Amino acid sequence: ETGVTQTPRHLVMGMTNKKSLKCEQHLGHNAMYWYKQSAKKPLELMFVYSLEERVENNSVPSRFSPECPNSSHLFLHLHTLQPEDSALYLCASSPFSDLMNTGELFFGEGSRLTVL
Amino acid sequence: TQLLEQSPQFLSIQEGENLTVYCNSSSVFSSLQWYRQEPGEGPVLLVTVVTGGEVKKLKRLTFQFGDARKDSSLHITAAQPGDTGLYLCAGPNFGNEKLTFGTGTRLTIIP
Repeated sequence: ETGVTQTPRHLVMGMTNKKSLKCEQHLGHNAMYWYKQSAKKPLELMFVYSLEERVENNSVPSRFSPECPNSSHLFLHLHTLQPEDSALYLCASSPFSDLMNTGELFFGEGSRLTVL
Repeated sequence: TQLLEQSPQFLSIQEGENLTVYCNSSSVFSSLQWYRQEPGEGPVLLVTVVTGGEVKKLKRLTFQFGDARKDSSLHITAAQPGDTGLYLCAGPNFGNEKLTFGTGTRLTIIP
């Protein structure tokens, strides 16, 4: 099993659809992250969970809703998205529950989202 | 938020050539990380530099952290097609230690 697995790898949705992205980590890490990667922009941190508690919500619109049911799984629920939300959504994990010491991030392969 | 500017944004060179890419900031970072993201994959950590002036080597890749810890460079010797990818630098923000990522350098090595 690879360290961090994301599904689906590709998703096309209309603006009125509801869909979810899934992330699973097999590394025994304590923190999990959602990042957005758009063309010509730096990676944008969206959400951080440490020991299953959300500790960061980086001014993300409410049409993105994260869920962390346990330390191995992270979801990003999508509802009434806009075309500008089209991007690569990357999940990552790190060993540290102390978010003052992020250390190395282990990324999944990403979910390529297209909003029509 | 501390910003990291990477240059060049795009670089395309022939196999066997040498190259250097840069990561610059006006802010001091306690450390800097370099990641490589290959097409269709997530970023993978290459190295972390911590001490001002530090030089780390990873086979044909040489990473340097500036003396003032505001900048870093990555030099690749005899580039190979397998070096193709997006190179990202990242550093922890002062105060909250959340990683800030640079704008990236997209490198293409032509066989």
